[in-house]
This record gives sequence, structure tokens and C-alpha cells, in this order.
Amino acid sequence: QKEVEQNSGPLSVPEGAIASLNCTYSDRGSQSFFWYRQYSGKSPELIMFIYSNGDKEDGRFTAQLNKASQYVSLLIRDSQPSDSATYLCAVKTGGFKTIFGAGTRLFVKA
Amino acid sequence: EAGVTQFPSHSVIEKGQTVTLRCDPISGHDNLYWYRRVMGKEIKFLLHFVKESKQDESGMPNNRFLAERTGGTYSTLKVQPAELEDSGVYFCASSPISGSSYNEQFFGPGTRLTVL
Repeated sequence: QKEVEQNSGPLSVPEGAIASLNCTYSDRGSQSFFWYRQYSGKSPELIMFIYSNGDKEDGRFTAQLNKASQYVSLLIRDSQPSDSATYLCAVKTGGFKTIFGAGTRLFVKA
Repeated sequence: EAGVTQFPSHSVIEKGQTVTLRCDPISGHDNLYWYRRVMGKEIKFLLHFVKESKQDESGMPNNRFLAERTGGTYSTLKVQPAELEDSGVYFCASSPISGSSYNEQFFGPGTRLTVL
């Protein structure tokens, strides 16, 4: 079992729709959870982080964390073609080591 | 504020040769990380420095890889001798040791290493 699992996609949504990206992790001791966006050929860029159970909203993005289910999700409202990218879920345990998922490719169709 | 920079952006070497990658973190960032992404796979943690000290090098594949951060500023990652399976994109990231953004890692553009 991978430490951080994501559906590789591609996930295709129409412009204006809600994109829902999901991630599960195996280490119950994980404490910090991150969503990175990576455009093709570019470096990862942090868009959201969450530490506590529940929802965290930032503009069109909402991160959701359920530690009991070991599940993290990212919702993108009013999806735009510029949101088309690979979204990486990352998990940090007690130290500074960050474990990345393989990413989900998102396509937003105009 | 300048971001994380990496040099070179692309390196093509033959199996058995030596390559040294360089990372300059954001000024003032004491945390420095090296990651690698092999084609089709996830980004893998290699190691973490706090200033000049290695805090966690559990992700280093083998003893052909040597990372240094003398003086706690820039870091180098040397691969000697390089093997075919070392090909991939090597990312460096940095973050401050404290403050509101201590958990946010800022990534450099990466070095694409191709071993022939």
C-alpha cells in the first residue's frame, strides 16, 4: 500500500463546475496535509494546507480533512481552464519529511 | 524576493560520470529539502537540512548520493558514479524555521538529469 494514494485521473470537469480531488494516507500519525498544484514542466506550488479535522476555505479552494478516515480532499469551485494541472496531495508526519502522492491530473474544459 | 534557484536546469551525462546539482534557497530559510521525481512516479523525499546539519537523510537511495550544505546557505547534491536509474527531476525546496509560513515549502524549478 502506498503511503499517500491519489487517483491519477485524468479528472475532466466543465468550466464553472466543482472539481473534487481525493487523497488517502496510511500513517495515522500524520499531522499536516498539503495540496500542491503543478503545471506541466513547472515546480509544485502550495495552494492549501490543513492540520485539523474539518474544512478550510481559501477563495475558490476548500480543503477537507477526516483523520479518522485518513482522508483529505480538495474542492475547487467555479473551475477555470487555468486550473488545469496536476494536483499533488502531500502528508507530513511528526518530523519534516513530506510524503507526496503521485498526483491527479485535472482538465477543465472551456 | 528571489525564489529558490537550481543549477543546472538540465544535465545530460553518461553512466559512470559524476554530476553535481546546486540549490540556492530563499534567503533566510534554514530548512532545505531535496526531492526527486522519476518519470511516472511520485515526488520522493531525499533529505532535509536545517542550516548545515542533516536532519533526515532517510530518502537517499544509496551511497552514490552525497549532499552537503556547508555554511548553511546553498546546498549541493553529488551523484557519483551516475547510473541509468538516477535519471529524473531533482527538486530543491526551502522553508523558514519558524513563523507563519514555516510549514510552506517553496520549490525550485528543478534540475532534469538524464543519464545515458
